[in-house]
Amino acid sequence: DQQVKQNSPSLSVQEGRISILNCDYTNSMFDYFLWYKKYPAEGPTFLISISSIKDKNEDGRFTVFLNKSAKHLSLHIVPSQPGDSAVYFCAASGNFGNEKLTFGTGTRLTIIP
Amino acid sequence: DVKVTQSSRYLVKRTGEKVFLECVQDMDHENMFWYRQDPGLGLRLIYFSYDVKMKEKGDIPEGYSVSREKKERFSLILESASTNQTSMYLCASSLRFRAGIRNDETEAFFGQGTRLTVV
Repeated sequence: DQQVKQNSPSLSVQEGRISILNCDYTNSMFDYFLWYKKYPAEGPTFLISISSIKDKNEDGRFTVFLNKSAKHLSLHIVPSQPGDSAVYFCAASGNFGNEKLTFGTGTRLTIIP
Repeated sequence: DVKVTQSSRYLVKRTGEKVFLECVQDMDHENMFWYRQDPGLGLRLIYFSYDVKMKEKGDIPEGYSVSREKKERFSLILESASTNQTSMYLCASSLRFRAGIRNDETEAFFGQGTRLTVV
C-alpha cells in the first residue's frame, strides 16, 4: 500500500524553464512533508519542507505547495539548472509518536541544456 | 554540520553469509533509520530506533535485524543474506522533535549509502 505516490517516474525540462514535480498522499494523518534530492551513488539530501499548517514554502529557486484537501503537494524549481538533474523523492511524516518518514518512489528530473 | 557515515560504500557477499552494515552519526540525534532503495520502489523503511536499545519494525523488516547499543551507532544485520537483498542501503538520523513542532531541524540526514550485492 503506497501511501506516498509520485506518478511520474521521469521528467525532462529545458534549462531555464520551470520544473514541476508532483506528489500525492493517501494518509490524512500526515502533517509534515519534505523533498529530498538524490544523485547516483550518494545519499539523499534535504531540499525543502512544509508543515500542514501552511500551503506554501519558498527557499530560493525552490517552492513547495501543499493542497491538503486534494492530498497533493508539488515542488517547483525556477529557473531549472543542469545541476538540478537528479532523482527527487517526496516524503511525509505524521503525528504517530515517531518521526519515521514514508517516501514516494521518486521522479528522475533531467534538465536539458 | 551533520555527518552520517556508513562503514562501506560497496560490499559483495555470498548467499547465506551474515552481513553487518554499520552506521555512525555525530550529531547526538535520537532517531536513526535504515532504508533500502530499489528501482521503481523508492526508499522503503526496514527498521528504525528512537533511543538506545529501542527498535521498531519498518515496512519491510523480514530477513533483517538491528542493534543500537550506543546512541551514535545503528547496525543493520542480514542474518542469512539472500540475492533479493541486493540493494542500496541508506542510513539516516534525525532529532526527536519537541513540543509537537516540526521544522527544518527535524529533517533526516542520510549517509552516502552502501551498495550491497549478494551473489
